[in-house]
Amino acid sequence: GAVVSQHPSWVICKSGTSVKIECRSLDFQATTMFWYRQFPKQSLMLMATSNEGSKATYEQGVEKDKFLINHASLTLSTLTVTSAHPEDSSFYICSARALVDQPQHFGDGTRLSIL
Amino acid sequence: QKEVEQNSGPLSVPEGAIASLNCTYSDRGSQSFFWYRQYSGKSPELIMSIYSNGDKEDGRFTAQLNKASQYVSLLIRDSQPSDSATYLCAVKVDSNYQLIWGAGTKLIIKP
Repeated sequence: GAVVSQHPSWVICKSGTSVKIECRSLDFQATTMFWYRQFPKQSLMLMATSNEGSKATYEQGVEKDKFLINHASLTLSTLTVTSAHPEDSSFYICSARALVDQPQHFGDGTRLSIL
Repeated sequence: QKEVEQNSGPLSVPEGAIASLNCTYSDRGSQSFFWYRQYSGKSPELIMSIYSNGDKEDGRFTAQLNKASQYVSLLIRDSQPSDSATYLCAVKVDSNYQLIWGAGTKLIIKP
């Protein structure tokens, strides 16, 4: 149980393109979803927390207009990287949690490369 | 500021031995504790969760929690080369939606 699907797994696109990443909880309802970014050999960096039906809470230093998060249902959250540039290239990982005291379960991540 | 500390390693352990990974946290109000394993280039996967003082065993893994001393540890018995990965400690502080993450300990199991 507790499967989280993230799609796509790998994206290569030109600078200026907007990229949408989907995160789905397949066998549970995720009241909260999290979006992380991870650079090579570094730890996870939380970007934002989203609760179903409400606006995402962004961490300090994360541009909300750059990284658009939508959590429209209990099983789906999307992250859109708008007008992506090479410095946005990174490993983006979502996680989902059913209830507050339960663990987060991670998707397989999306490797984003902006040329 | 709430912090979770881990030794970055690498921690090198011979195959078949016990690997011991440690994590300390700063907030006494912390309620839930998690160990995740992350292979290189992959996303984290949950290994163990522990909520009360003492030991919790699951197969070759044992999580140990000591709230008075503010540490949580993970023991891996009969270590296998496939256990080589970075182990992340995560702590949930009461009334906070988020997890506070340690930087991870890189574990290498030598055949």
